[in-house]
Amino acid sequence: QQQVKQSPQSLIVQKGGISIINCAYENTAFDYFPWYQQFPGKGPALLIAIRPDVSEKKEGRFTISFNKSAKQFSLHIMDSQPGDSATYFCAAGSNNAGNMLTFGGGTRLMVKP
Amino acid sequence: DAGVIQSPRHEVTEMGQEVTLRCKPISGHNSLFWYRQTMMRGLELLIYFNNNVPIDDSGMPEDRFSAKMPNASFSTLKIQPSEPRDSAVYFCASSWQGAADTQYFGPGTRLTVL
Repeated sequence: QQQVKQSPQSLIVQKGGISIINCAYENTAFDYFPWYQQFPGKGPALLIAIRPDVSEKKEGRFTISFNKSAKQFSLHIMDSQPGDSATYFCAAGSNNAGNMLTFGGGTRLMVKP
Repeated sequence: DAGVIQSPRHEVTEMGQEVTLRCKPISGHNSLFWYRQTMMRGLELLIYFNNNVPIDDSGMPEDRFSAKMPNASFSTLKIQPSEPRDSAVYFCASSWQGAADTQYFGPGTRLTVL
């Protein structure tokens, strides 16, 4: 599998702060970049996704920034809340690979009240 | 509409026993994925099917693992014989075939092999 490298592995943010998680990929054929959110005891669930025809996508407090030339993308959580505490996974997929996704290693986010 | 259904939710077994995990994908989805999640290795893709046909099983750790999809609404992941290092949470996910798109995950099966 092509690698997707995610950092940091863990992150602690104060309530109201900005959480930033970064991912980097190598396969230039990737053309779909979703972020998944996983709460303890649950399966990952799609949070937000972007395709490379745009450099940014925002949904509420969650924003994906995409840098095609650098082969990097990141998740920004504005006004972080304790309820955002979860594990976040970035992923990448390619139409050429059917609908298989390659996942990053995950980031455990804790938002302190 | 019901999401991906997995059973059992928890399984505790002894080393050497056969374990069968079950998955019902979302109706109309024709791609199905089996993942394993551990603290050490994160989320690993074991195998995926398109239209009930296994496409990539390169993530299956060894011959003790096997997966089947006899029809569009059912898949199994079998471990025989099970070993303590197989202890993990196993997820099933489904999606539409044909393009990189959202995968919908089930709640997972937490497997403990003693």
